[in-house]
Amino acid sequence: SQKIEQNSEALNIQEGKTATLTCNYTNYSPAYLQWYRQDPGRGPVFLLLIRENEKEKRKERLKVTFDTTLKQSLFHITASQPADSATYLCALYTGGFKTIFGAGTRLFVKA
Amino acid sequence: DGGITQSPKYLFRKEGQNVTLSCEQNLNHDAMYWYRQDPGQGLRLIYYSQIVNDFQKGDIAEGYSVSREKKESFPLTVTSAQKNPTAFYLCASSIEGQDYNEQFFGPGTRLTVL
Repeated sequence: SQKIEQNSEALNIQEGKTATLTCNYTNYSPAYLQWYRQDPGRGPVFLLLIRENEKEKRKERLKVTFDTTLKQSLFHITASQPADSATYLCALYTGGFKTIFGAGTRLFVKA
Repeated sequence: DGGITQSPKYLFRKEGQNVTLSCEQNLNHDAMYWYRQDPGQGLRLIYYSQIVNDFQKGDIAEGYSVSREKKESFPLTVTSAQKNPTAFYLCASSIEGQDYNEQFFGPGTRLTVL
């Protein structure tokens, strides 16, 4: 079955540094990979997606890469701020109204 | 403002009781979903509905039931048959015809069984 793995350990970084989160998947060749942000006690919010034919996608301070050979996506937040502290979820749309979500990686940005 | 609302935010239930979680959206989306979130796990799909009066089981439908009588509403009932119902429940919707199925989520309901 399809599986998504994200680093379960929290990532702690200093304000101003770049945060890099990893998403690995198996047993699937997705056409799209999505990233969501989830704050404690809230629902996830869609951030951006990357298509299989795109190597890199940028949106303001966010950058996502997609390596279909390695079956991996990297999510970068540059010039990180304390307000970026949240859990970030990776997701794959598998078709037929079904999306697989990773468990997420918790990011803490210290001032 | 358009969006998805869920109520209540917190819900406590005694074992053996059924309980219904509300989900309403004014985004005019056709598809709606219910997910369950447990610590350390990804969101798991309980039920989804593509259109009014139609719904399909997801990966963990046992012990749950839904209805879709109106486009705006997709309530979830957690029955006494659900063995471990304590969790964070998320309702979502998506735009029909979008090839990557971006999900719009509500704020969630935290259910605790006492």
